[in-house]
Amino acid sequence: QKEVEQDPGPLSVPEGAIVSLNCTYSNSAFQYFMWYRQYSRKGPELLMYTYSSGNKEDGRFTAQVDKSSKYISLFIRDSQPSDSATYLCAMSGRTGTASKLTFGTGTRLQVTL
Amino acid sequence: GAVVSQHPSRVICKSGTSVKIECRSLDFQATTMFWYRQFPKQSLMLMATSNEGSKATYEQGVEKDKFLINHASLTLSTLTVTSAHPEDSSFYICSANRPGLDNTDTQYFGPGTRLTVL
Repeated sequence: QKEVEQDPGPLSVPEGAIVSLNCTYSNSAFQYFMWYRQYSRKGPELLMYTYSSGNKEDGRFTAQVDKSSKYISLFIRDSQPSDSATYLCAMSGRTGTASKLTFGTGTRLQVTL
Repeated sequence: GAVVSQHPSRVICKSGTSVKIECRSLDFQATTMFWYRQFPKQSLMLMATSNEGSKATYEQGVEKDKFLINHASLTLSTLTVTSAHPEDSSFYICSANRPGLDNTDTQYFGPGTRLTVL
């Protein structure tokens, strides 16, 4: 079993839809959770960063962490064609300069006109 | 947000040659940088952790003599693929660890380098 599971998609939604992206994990030591967006042939771009359980909102993006269920989500409201990309969840058990990230496989999102 | 650059963005080389990739943090100092490789439609695989002023820490299965890492300053790490072969063709991405408030360090990624070995 992988430490982090993420549905690879592709997920296709119409413009304006609410998108829900999810990851599950097995390592209870994970405390720091991130979502990255990666466009084709580009490096990942940090979207959201959360610590422990709870919600965090930034514009059209909301990140949720449920540590009791080992489940994290990213919601995108009013999705736009420019949101079409691969979304990677990442997590680590510690912060500091020696922290290593464990990534999900990424979900490919396509927002259609 | 923090800016991390990589150079070159794309390189094509002959089998047997060595290729150096640079990773720079442009607006912050990074004592730790990470090197990843990514195959098409797959996630990032950590290759090694690069620490300024000390030896890199390699992940299991990554040959340290083939993938040479040098972290000579707080803003620069280099990855050299020695004696490259076609199976080394991949997308190489670096990230730099940026210290934050409340000890919440964050990794920022470079744009990646696409290596093609003929």
